[in-house]
Amino acid sequence: EVQLVESGGGLVQPGGSLRLSCAASGFAFSNYAMTWVRQAPGKGLEWVSAISGSGGGTFYADSVKGRFTISRDNSKNTLYLQMNSLRVDETAVYYCAKEGWLQSLPSLDSWGQGTLVTVSS
Amino acid sequence: IEMTQSPSSLSASVGDRVTITCRASQSVINYLNWYQQKPGKAPKLLIYAASSLQTGVPSRFSGSGSGTDFTLTISSLQPEDFATYYCQQSYSTPRGTFGGGTKVEIK
Repeated sequence: EVQLVESGGGLVQPGGSLRLSCAASGFAFSNYAMTWVRQAPGKGLEWVSAISGSGGGTFYADSVKGRFTISRDNSKNTLYLQMNSLRVDETAVYYCAKEGWLQSLPSLDSWGQGTLVTVSS
Repeated sequence: IEMTQSPSSLSASVGDRVTITCRASQSVINYLNWYQQKPGKAPKLLIYAASSLQTGVPSRFSGSGSGTDFTLTISSLQPEDFATYYCQQSYSTPRGTFGGGTKVEIK
């Protein structure tokens, strides 16, 4: 069974930093791209960042480019999101999700339970 | 690619047929997924490739469409279906943008 468990969320001041982790199990982690998606309170889903299975390809939403860094340690089956210069409006639940390929088309077929990041003074 | 869902919310009764639409700002062919999210829970993949049901999803759910216009239909709404539904294009993967969501509430 695929399991994704996020951690590292919490309260941080505006301009501060936080590193999120996502521990994966139940699948061959290094074979799959992974994604971070966030959801502000009462709002919709926002794609944030993604990384290829090898870690050689990284992708970011324009809103976080230059401030967030996605990475992975395939020896530890763990995905990370380093978030710097955080803004109040980035308060959200951050989900990690596994990219799957069904009928040769991509989707996010497994999700973690999310970790809450609160940016406030 | 921008994704627009309508309506943003709807009220329906158990047993009703419900249709949600999703429009892409450019063709995504059939690179279109639907997710269901219940309050306080993570999203769950319902439909991929515009019309294929994920394993374990009840057959009352169906998806259709191609190009820019897509629909999610629930043929007979059940109590456990009250949730928010999101479309997502995966044509520009890994940058898979989401629609704004449709909240299905009890009438």
